[in-house]
Amino acid sequence: GDSVTQMEGPVTLSEEAFLTINCTYTATGYPSLFWYVQYPGEGLQLLLKATKADDKGSNKGFEATYRKETTSFHLEKGSVQVSDSAVYFCALRNQGGKLIFGQGTELSVKP
Amino acid sequence: DTGVSQDPRHKITKRGQNVTFRCDPISEHNRLYWYRQTLGQGPEFLTYFQNEAQLEKSRLLSDRFSAERPKGSFSTLEIQRTEQGDSAMYLCASSPPGLADNEQFFGPGTRLTVL
Repeated sequence: GDSVTQMEGPVTLSEEAFLTINCTYTATGYPSLFWYVQYPGEGLQLLLKATKADDKGSNKGFEATYRKETTSFHLEKGSVQVSDSAVYFCALRNQGGKLIFGQGTELSVKP
Repeated sequence: DTGVSQDPRHKITKRGQNVTFRCDPISEHNRLYWYRQTLGQGPEFLTYFQNEAQLEKSRLLSDRFSAERPKGSFSTLEIQRTEQGDSAMYLCASSPPGLADNEQFFGPGTRLTVL
């Protein structure tokens, strides 16, 4: 069945460091891909999405490119801030509409 | 606040008891989803409604679980004869009509602890 695998955390970075969180997927057909973020004490929020191959999703300085050839959707940010500390979830959405999530990667940014 | 709301936010129960959770989606969102999230894991799909019709159920949803959305607005998720393994965060999400790709908006969740 469809699945998502993302790099294990926690990831600890210093402020202004470069961030990459790896995400790969297995799916039949052509799913849409998403990154959700969960800040401490808050609900899941959509961070960015891409609906077809080679699309780049971007928001709040984060970017991810839908790579069909490598079945990947890695999340990147050039300069992280303390306020980016959160748990990040990669997800795919198949034809049925439900989301399939990775296990989450906790990011901690130190000043 | 016009987001997805869930009630209660926390529930502690003893094994064997029944519990019911409620989800109020964003107004005019016709799709409603239930997910379960255990500690250190991503959310797992449980079931999905389009209006009042339950269109898909996960194999995770045992016979002890039942969900309803009687008037196509709010939804309830009931767990009968709770077990310790049911302890988790239960998340509800809704999305507007139109493309299946429309964003799902998540509620804050109901944290269930079964003693």
